[in-house]
Amino acid sequence: GQNIDQPTEMTATEGAIVQINCTYQTSGFNGLFWYQQHAGEAPTFLSYNVLDGLEEKGRFSSFLSRSKGYSYLLLKELQMKDSASYLCAVHASGGSYIPTFGRGTSLIVHP
Amino acid sequence: EAEVAQSPRYKITEKSQAVAFWCDPISGHATLYWYRQILGQGPELLVQFQDESVVDDSQLPKDRFSAERLKGVDSTLKIQPAELGDSAMYLCASSDPLGLNTEAFFGQGTRLTVV
Repeated sequence: GQNIDQPTEMTATEGAIVQINCTYQTSGFNGLFWYQQHAGEAPTFLSYNVLDGLEEKGRFSSFLSRSKGYSYLLLKELQMKDSASYLCAVHASGGSYIPTFGRGTSLIVHP
Repeated sequence: EAEVAQSPRYKITEKSQAVAFWCDPISGHATLYWYRQILGQGPELLVQFQDESVVDDSQLPKDRFSAERLKGVDSTLKIQPAELGDSAMYLCASSDPLGLNTEAFFGQGTRLTVV
């Protein structure tokens, strides 16, 4: 089975930087996704990390350490529209490559 | 821009009734997923198709849920009979297993309320 853990809720101030952590335990690890989901909407793809290290994409960066079973999503220059749930999903083999999601971290950005 | 289409967006049904959801994936995506998302939680996989074949339905409550993708394109998820605990968002997603990231693209979902 898979075990994915991320904080339930975080708050931050507009313009600040926030780091959302995700730890996982799984067999047959292939990669890790981050998705953003606004209330009542579908998840939208942010990033996919396969190799160790940091990948930067505009204001969002994602980091992976395969040996530690750890990832984080870094959001810079926070904007009010960044208030959303951020879902960590593990992509693992085991007959089929199925993204398995964590509970999500609800990020609230204050002015 | 190509997107995953789902209908209906919202559905209210009485318990013990039958309900069905429809999904049309992005053209050319061989992999199709149905997820259920309870408020405040992450999506939970119900069933995965590769073309018309079921790859994984280990989490699908088969006594009341069924899913099909007869021609390997669009898909239907059915619940019969519906129970109060089935109230949730039902998300359909598709992916191209040969794509660069193999990320899943989600539809807008069907919000089911069982009363």
